[in-house]
Amino acid sequence: NAGVTQTPKFQVLKTGQSMTLQCAQDMNHNSMYWYRQDPGMGLRLIYYSASEGTTDKGEVPNGYNVSRLNKREFSLRLESAAPSQTSVYFCASSDAGAPNTEAFFGQGTRLTVV
Amino acid sequence: QQQVKQSPQSLIVQKGGISIINCAYENTAFDYFPWYQQFPGKGPALLIAIRPDVSEKKEGRFTISFNKSAKQFSLHIMDSQPGDSATYFCAASSWGSTDKLIFGTGTRLQVFP
Repeated sequence: NAGVTQTPKFQVLKTGQSMTLQCAQDMNHNSMYWYRQDPGMGLRLIYYSASEGTTDKGEVPNGYNVSRLNKREFSLRLESAAPSQTSVYFCASSDAGAPNTEAFFGQGTRLTVV
Repeated sequence: QQQVKQSPQSLIVQKGGISIINCAYENTAFDYFPWYQQFPGKGPALLIAIRPDVSEKKEGRFTISFNKSAKQFSLHIMDSQPGDSATYFCAASSWGSTDKLIFGTGTRLQVFP
């Protein structure tokens, strides 16, 4: 079972460049999430999607856009990367049909913006 | 705003000792409190979780203690092992809010032999 798959695993961008982080899950989950992890800050929610076709802002959405392409895939786009977006990005999914269920995380994408 | 406060930031424990990590929350609507464990280079994975209708939940060497009136909960790792060395995150969410998890800032645990 693949679970949640993120690509790429590592990326270096120059300031102002754009890129899309890809995420796919094979657990038939309704909800998908993008978090960023920074030292001393924990995991902060960027965007989430409660179901196919819907997206909502989380705690730190500025500078990001998302697309819920279908039930399996949820992408995160940086239109004009900034050094402040250097972070480790995690995609996660959960079954929104049941209360308080486990969130499954991908392996993460380590992004450096120079 | 930090809705879930976690301490300590780092913890060093000798093998066989007890590791204790504490979390406090503000939102009384939270009704689900999981702990996630993260090894270097990996994504977080669910370790143990509790609902506020019980004061304690135990799974093997891991125990969550929950104090609803104080709005605090803690993770106790008994007989800590070097393999427990990881970063631990507490989290909270409320049913009916699209299951969004709010995480604490994390505790890096190191268990020395």
